[in-house]
Formats: sequence, C-alpha cells, structure tokens
Amino acid sequence: QPGLTQPPSASGTPGQKVTISCSGSSSNIGSNPVNWYQQLPGTAPKLLIYNSNQRPSGFPDRFSGSKSGTSASLAISGLQSDDEADYYCAAWDDSLNGGVFGGGTKLTVL
Amino acid sequence: EEQLMESGGGLVKPGGSLRLSCAASGFRFTLAWMTWVRQAPGKGLEWVGRMKSSPSGGTTDYAAAVKGRFTISRDDSKSTLYLQMNSLETEDMGVYYCSHDGDFKGRLDSWGQGTLVTVSS
Repeated sequence: QPGLTQPPSASGTPGQKVTISCSGSSSNIGSNPVNWYQQLPGTAPKLLIYNSNQRPSGFPDRFSGSKSGTSASLAISGLQSDDEADYYCAAWDDSLNGGVFGGGTKLTVL
Repeated sequence: EEQLMESGGGLVKPGGSLRLSCAASGFRFTLAWMTWVRQAPGKGLEWVGRMKSSPSGGTTDYAAAVKGRFTISRDDSKSTLYLQMNSLETEDMGVYYCSHDGDFKGRLDSWGQGTLVTVSS
C-alpha cells in the first residue's frame, strides 16, 4: 500500500487543463515539501515539481504544483500528447524516516 | 550534467544475493546523499533506502520491506553507490534506480536509467 494516495488515472483532450491530486498525512505532506515526478513510457522518472510548487529548468510553466495541509496537487494546462505519462507525488515521511510515493497516476491525452 | 549509471542487475534465485552498483558523475559525489528506488513490473515507484554523505555521517535508512536484507554503501573514491541485496524474494523483482537527493529531504534531482533484477527459480 503506497504511503500517498493518487487517482490511478486521469485524462483530457489537447489544450485542456488536468489536475492530479495527492493525499497524505501529517507526517509526510503535512510536514515536508512535496515533489512530483514524470515517467514517460519505458524511461526513468524525472523531477517535475519540487518543494511543492517549484519547477526545474526544462519543464514549461504549463506544469504547476500546490500544497494545502496534507494534500497536494499537480496541474497541467494546455495539455499536449507529449504529456502522456505516469505522474508520481512523493514526500519524506518523518514517522517512517523514509520516503513515500503515491501509487502513480496514468495520464491519457484523448 | 549529472549522470548516474546502474549496473549489476540480472537473474537470481529466491534466497540468493546480488550487488548493484551506481556510478555517478557531474556533481560532487562526496557531498551527495543518495537514494535507491525500485519499480516492480507494471507497478509504481517504491522508496528503498538512502545513504547520507560521509561528512553528514554516512548513515543509512531503509524501507521496512528491505530492512535487514539490503545494505547501501558507497565508495567516494570511485563516486560509486552500492546496494547489496540478500535473501531475495520474488517481491524484490523490478527495476532498481539510483538517484541523487538534492535537498536532503527526498528531492530526487537525477536518476539513472535503472537496472533490472529478476528473482525466479
């Protein structure tokens, strides 16, 4: 059972905005920054959002993150076919003294 | 550019052992906190464990599922991270990634391409 809870799937049409939720607890999201990773088919994950709402260079501002309490979300606007991937949220868990991931959300661009 | 390259994966029988390596370049490995993450076939990402840098104590933390069976170590002179896996179970099968924890709180800035571990009799 993953430490964080994400919907298993999400979808949208090109140009639309999609939001993916991530739910945790006080020991992980409630206490630590949230990171998001994008995993394109057959490749290694890449850091997409860090510190809940910061973007590394290389990802456009169509991708944004937010956090409130023990939940976080990833928003993708202006959806493109290249955005089809699995998206994972993650955070440090102070109780486990380890990292926890969400189960991943498979994004389909219709 | 940060680069990580894992090696050492392969086929092993249940109960067997395997040692994975991760060669790092493009950043100051001696100061880096490093993490192993795995992904079972068709499943999500799972945090395995991490090792702090030697100046930070070089201590390790492990997921409950692998504690007591897996050991993370490093050779700073070779900029290489290791994962010694003993008493392997079928549930340990998957792709193992090493990654660089950029903020000491789990922000995995860079990842290797992964190495596949198959546990089967």
